[in-house]
Amino acid sequence: AQSVTQLDSQVPVFEEAPVELRCNYSSSVSVYLFWYVQYPNQGLQLLLKYLSGSTLVKGINGFEAEFNKSQTSFHLRKPSVHISDTAEYFCAVSDWTASKLTFGTGTRLQVTL
Amino acid sequence: EAGVAQSPRYKIIEKRQSVAFWCNPISGHATLYWYQQILGQGPKLLIQFQNNGVVDDSQLPKDRFSAERLKGVDSTLKIQPAKLEDSAVYLCASSFGTHTDTQYFGPGTRLTVL
Repeated sequence: AQSVTQLDSQVPVFEEAPVELRCNYSSSVSVYLFWYVQYPNQGLQLLLKYLSGSTLVKGINGFEAEFNKSQTSFHLRKPSVHISDTAEYFCAVSDWTASKLTFGTGTRLQVTL
Repeated sequence: EAGVAQSPRYKIIEKRQSVAFWCNPISGHATLYWYQQILGQGPKLLIQFQNNGVVDDSQLPKDRFSAERLKGVDSTLKIQPAKLEDSAVYLCASSFGTHTDTQYFGPGTRLTVL
């Protein structure tokens, strides 16, 4: 069975500061990893995904994530955040045996001036 | 391109009543998903359709929840009878295929059971 752990439920950060949202996964087979963002009162939107190849994945809105197989991690980073990045961020995993996504509990990113 | 449509956006019912949610996926998407998102948690898959066939309904409480996908397009999710613990946001998503394809989510239906 696959699972995802997002250790930080909330991450406060000042505007223009860098941020890292942590994600660790557990799976017995090769995985596909995703980061989704959920703005208030909206559905989830894909930020980026790792399927294979380069372990550094670039997504929308200046976000990037790095797949680290040895540490079973897929942390999300942005070098300089904006107020508009305030949202809930979900890490998710799937694999070739199960087409469904398993989501983490989410990290609330709060950007302030 | 139109996104995933859901209705209603909000619903308040008494426990033991029934309720139904509707979802219209993105045109051409074969796979449709229903998720339950309880406050403070990540979405949990309830049921997955491939065209009009069920692929995974292992986490669907089948004694009270049912879902169908008519003609492989629109889908409805029903709860009968509702319990207090069913209060959540119900998200519909669709994708072209499975596994690696991006899932596109609708805005969700917020259900409150009193």
